[in-house]
Amino acid sequence: GAGVSQSPSNKVTEKGKDVELRCDPISGHTALYWYRQSLGQGLEFLIYFQGNSAPDKSGLPSDRFSAERTGGSVSTLTIQRTQQEDSAVYLCASSLVLTGKGTGELFFGEGSRLTVL
Amino acid sequence: AQTVTQSQPEMSVQEAETVTLSCTYDTSESDYYLFWYKQPPSRQMILVIRQEAYKQQNATENRFSVNFQKAAKSFSLKISDSQLGDAAMYFCAYPSTSGTYKYIFGTGTRLKVLA
Repeated sequence: GAGVSQSPSNKVTEKGKDVELRCDPISGHTALYWYRQSLGQGLEFLIYFQGNSAPDKSGLPSDRFSAERTGGSVSTLTIQRTQQEDSAVYLCASSLVLTGKGTGELFFGEGSRLTVL
Repeated sequence: AQTVTQSQPEMSVQEAETVTLSCTYDTSESDYYLFWYKQPPSRQMILVIRQEAYKQQNATENRFSVNFQKAAKSFSLKISDSQLGDAAMYFCAYPSTSGTYKYIFGTGTRLKVLA
């Protein structure tokens, strides 16, 4: 498709289980961001990829969270030993990087809603 | 530190009226973009309008316009002739042009449109 695709759209899991969330960005977009959004709240930055490298992973809340990006395309966010406080919508966005002007318009996926019971 | 501040957690506007959402930011960079994004209840975030800092003319997209005051580091969004479909969360955003290109969002303003 032409847009950013995220899967699964909804995930219900039990506390302590591991989950993987996938993001397929727009083709050619070198920048990829992961954000977390709790109900009715703002966006919490998690990690940023430029190509396959992550120059900024300062937002990952704990070492239970990890992310990778392969082939400059698909990214996977992994949460190990999930906790109830991990319940949120996880948003992925991709963009072009504009030389000297930072990242351009972000194109967002519809998000993955994670519920940890 | 680079920051983006939206001081209005919630705003209401009567249908067909005009509303202004405020945003201030802090940066030492000289040329950059600023963005307003909209997140309707269906949750997918979309771009509303962008402003390039070196351009003095305020950006306009149909009923949406900005009031960009570079010296004051202010970037407000004006919505004219408000419609029910404008009800959403609105986020102001600033992508850093240096370092790690971190994309910084404000905390959002929830806009209610009253019929």
